[in-house]
Amino acid sequence: EAEVAQSPRYKITEKSQAVAFWCDPISGHATLYWYRQILGQGPELLVQFQDESVVDDSQLPKDRFSAERLKGVDSTLKIQPAELGDSAMYLCASRGRGTSGRLEETQYFGPGTRLLVL
Amino acid sequence: QKEVEQDPGPLSVPEGAIVSLNCTYSNSAFQYFMWYRQYSRKGPELLMYTYSSGNKEDGRFTAQVDKSSKYISLFIRDSQPSDSATYLCAMSDLILTGGGNKLTFGTGTQLKVEL
Repeated sequence: EAEVAQSPRYKITEKSQAVAFWCDPISGHATLYWYRQILGQGPELLVQFQDESVVDDSQLPKDRFSAERLKGVDSTLKIQPAELGDSAMYLCASRGRGTSGRLEETQYFGPGTRLLVL
Repeated sequence: QKEVEQDPGPLSVPEGAIVSLNCTYSNSAFQYFMWYRQYSRKGPELLMYTYSSGNKEDGRFTAQVDKSSKYISLFIRDSQPSDSATYLCAMSDLILTGGGNKLTFGTGTQLKVEL
């Protein structure tokens, strides 16, 4: 079964350092999302891509966060510099079209990258 | 006030019990309602999806949506220890062909089904 891949699974860093997370969506999925999930809370959208274009980055702290999807396939989320409050699970999700060609409602999530900032 | 409210639990039930999980919301534009299950240290996986008001059943799971009350529920029959997880409700107002489908999640309810 096709899955969303993310790496690394865990990352420990010191504040003010740079970190990067990678996501490979399900093959053929044009829509890709990055979410942040703080412990005990639901995921919150950071950025959404349609192919290589950003559709929504209104909740992305752009002074320190950046995201790219240069070829419209895999994506990288970067934080520089990391702060203590960035400790969270970073989830990637993708969405594609069903056999009818219609955009599916379902977002498929990867296993996430758990970040701890010391 | 958050757009989506969900009791965080934890909720502990004996094996075989019927479980009721609920969310309320304030945005009347929400039309698509989903329930995700999240095991510890894993990503969320979709359990149920419904559009507008009504019921939907899938095996031991039933999702209900009452748009007039802005209230959604997930029922689990004959609960099993393997159902122990965090259950997240999620909703969106529009699914566009070129994008959209921004999901707003509840905080999640932690469920434990005990032997």
